[in-house]
Amino acid sequence: GAVVSQHPSRVICKSGTSVKIECRSLDFQATTMFWYRQFPKQSLMLMATSNEGSKATYEQGVEKDKFLINHASLTLSTLTVTSAHPEDSSFYICSAALTGGTDTQYFGPGTRLTVL
Amino acid sequence: AQSVAQPEDQVNVAEGNPLTVKCTYSVSGNPYLFWYVQYPNRGLQFLLKYITGDNLVKGSYGFEAEFNKSQTSFHLKKPSALVSDSALYFCAVRGGYNNNDMRFGAGTRLTVKP
Repeated sequence: GAVVSQHPSRVICKSGTSVKIECRSLDFQATTMFWYRQFPKQSLMLMATSNEGSKATYEQGVEKDKFLINHASLTLSTLTVTSAHPEDSSFYICSAALTGGTDTQYFGPGTRLTVL
Repeated sequence: AQSVAQPEDQVNVAEGNPLTVKCTYSVSGNPYLFWYVQYPNRGLQFLLKYITGDNLVKGSYGFEAEFNKSQTSFHLKKPSALVSDSALYFCAVRGGYNNNDMRFGAGTRLTVKP
């Protein structure tokens, strides 16, 4: 199956700093990438959908200036958590799909962000 | 908007017994249904999906799921559970061909006891 990687797998930062998380599709070109957030013992919450070469579409309640998404190429999307605060601590998971239709979303291994 | 429900937070079965993890969905139009499994501190692994065709879908690791349109259900099943099947299982639905959004259920924690 298709492989999606995320980097870093774990990051600890101080409050007020910015953190960038990379999501890469390793063996296929992803027209669409998705960013999710998962709190402990809860389901995934879609944060935003990004299509290569265009602006991301954010879900209601997600601050686009707080969570900057760039989908610069068909194999790379980045999520930058700006001016991170302890409440931003979470497990962030990306997924990638060829197109939005019947194509399966393949998920990265996730990034655990801890903001001190 | 589409949604999916997993009515059981926890399912416990003995090794070797059949297992069922329940999922019901709500969507306008034709549903695209998925099952994923998540191990601790890991991302989601794709198990199987239903797009069209046979209602019984076979997936990875011996899992299968049955699409039931009249009951709007997509229950995950396995004839004989393994201890290694213990994990968190998510059902997901996407509505329509051009809908990129996937909505996940709350998850069901499966524990298989030896």
